[in-house]
Amino acid sequence: AQKVTQAQTEISVVEKEDVTLDCVYETRDTTYYLFWYKQPPSGELVFLIRRNSFDEQNEISGRYSWNFQKSTSSFNFTITASQVVDSAVYFCALREAGGTSYGKLTFGQGTILTVHP
Amino acid sequence: DVKVTQSSRYLVKRTGEKVFLECVQDMDHENMFWYRQDPGLGLRLIYFSYDVKMKEKGDIPEGYSVSREKKERFSLILESASTNQTSMYLCASSPTSTGELFFGEGSRLTVL
Repeated sequence: AQKVTQAQTEISVVEKEDVTLDCVYETRDTTYYLFWYKQPPSGELVFLIRRNSFDEQNEISGRYSWNFQKSTSSFNFTITASQVVDSAVYFCALREAGGTSYGKLTFGQGTILTVHP
Repeated sequence: DVKVTQSSRYLVKRTGEKVFLECVQDMDHENMFWYRQDPGLGLRLIYFSYDVKMKEKGDIPEGYSVSREKKERFSLILESASTNQTSMYLCASSPTSTGELFFGEGSRLTVL
């Protein structure tokens, strides 16, 4: 069975600090997809990134970067120079590519990030 | 712009009442999902549907049922609400091609 673990329940930083959110996953599939979502206080989950299991290149988007390492089954998310607007709950998720999965995601428990001014 | 709309942001119901949560998407997505979100537990899948009139149980289907009579609409039904069903309920849809979920704003249900 697939599983996603976000060991950090809550993280608190001061503005402009860099912060890394950890994500470790378990799956028996060789083909799978990993996701990160952001849930701001308004409640709606916002898609941030999708990565497939064959692409281990790190990705950078502005202040956001993602480090995917199959050897350690990790897909960590780093925010550089954090801002107050980054305060949210962040979820890591896994989707197996099997024919019966129909796109359903398995989510981690979420990490609450608070950025103080 | 993609849109998933949940009918109610906040509901308060009494134990034993029947509760309907409605979700509509305007993106012509094949797949629709109902998750519940609880602190420390993340999002857990209740039911999903990959086509009209088709449904599959997720990880925690007990106490819930669903209905998908039209492609754009997916309803979650609590036949007899209980206090342990107090939660945030999130609807999502996705195209089969990418698997990326688009979420609604959530419905916070309180059962007294």
